[in-house]
Amino acid sequence: DAGVTQSPTHLIKTRGQQVTLRCSPKSGHDTVSWYQQALGQGPQFIFQYYEEEERQRGNFPDRFSGHQFPNYSSELNVNALLLGDSALYLCASSLGSLAKNIQYFGAGTRLSVL
Amino acid sequence: ILNVEQSPQSLHVQEGDSTNFTCSFPSSNFYALHWYRWETAKSPEALFVMTLNGDEKKKGRISATLNTKEGYSYLYIKGSQPEDSATYLCAFRGGNTGFQKLVFGTGTRLLVSP
Repeated sequence: DAGVTQSPTHLIKTRGQQVTLRCSPKSGHDTVSWYQQALGQGPQFIFQYYEEEERQRGNFPDRFSGHQFPNYSSELNVNALLLGDSALYLCASSLGSLAKNIQYFGAGTRLSVL
Repeated sequence: ILNVEQSPQSLHVQEGDSTNFTCSFPSSNFYALHWYRWETAKSPEALFVMTLNGDEKKKGRISATLNTKEGYSYLYIKGSQPEDSATYLCAFRGGNTGFQKLVFGTGTRLLVSP
């Protein structure tokens, strides 16, 4: 049973470019959350998708957008990249959206913006 | 702004030592507290989800307690082993809606020397 998979593993972009990160949830899971972990910080919540809709959003600008597909996989898009967007981006999946449900994390995508 | 704090920031112990870490979170509007174990270059792994004041959970040599009234949780590791070396993250969920928005601490980095 595959866990949460993210692609790509690493990515290098330049300022102003756009990037798309992908996440496949654990088999049977229907909810996907995205987090950004900058150096020296804990993961910061970006947004959560359930039933193909964005259910909750953290304090991130509109440059960060996402999508969930009918097979529950998800994409995170970041437009007009800034140097400060360099971080590890984590995807987590769960069955249902309740806060007490365990979230299973992928290994992340390391984004470097030059 | 929700503040979740973990202490100590890092810890270096010898094999066989027992150790504990602290996670402090807002004492109002509590919903759930998650503990994760994160080894370098791997995915964060869920250890516990705690929802009730006074909860005690155990998984092998690792256990956790929860005090929602005063806003803290302790994670204990009995007889630390080198394979326990990892960053231990706690994540707080407040509010009264079902949707997950986990607020993470910055973690405690544990190094266990043989």
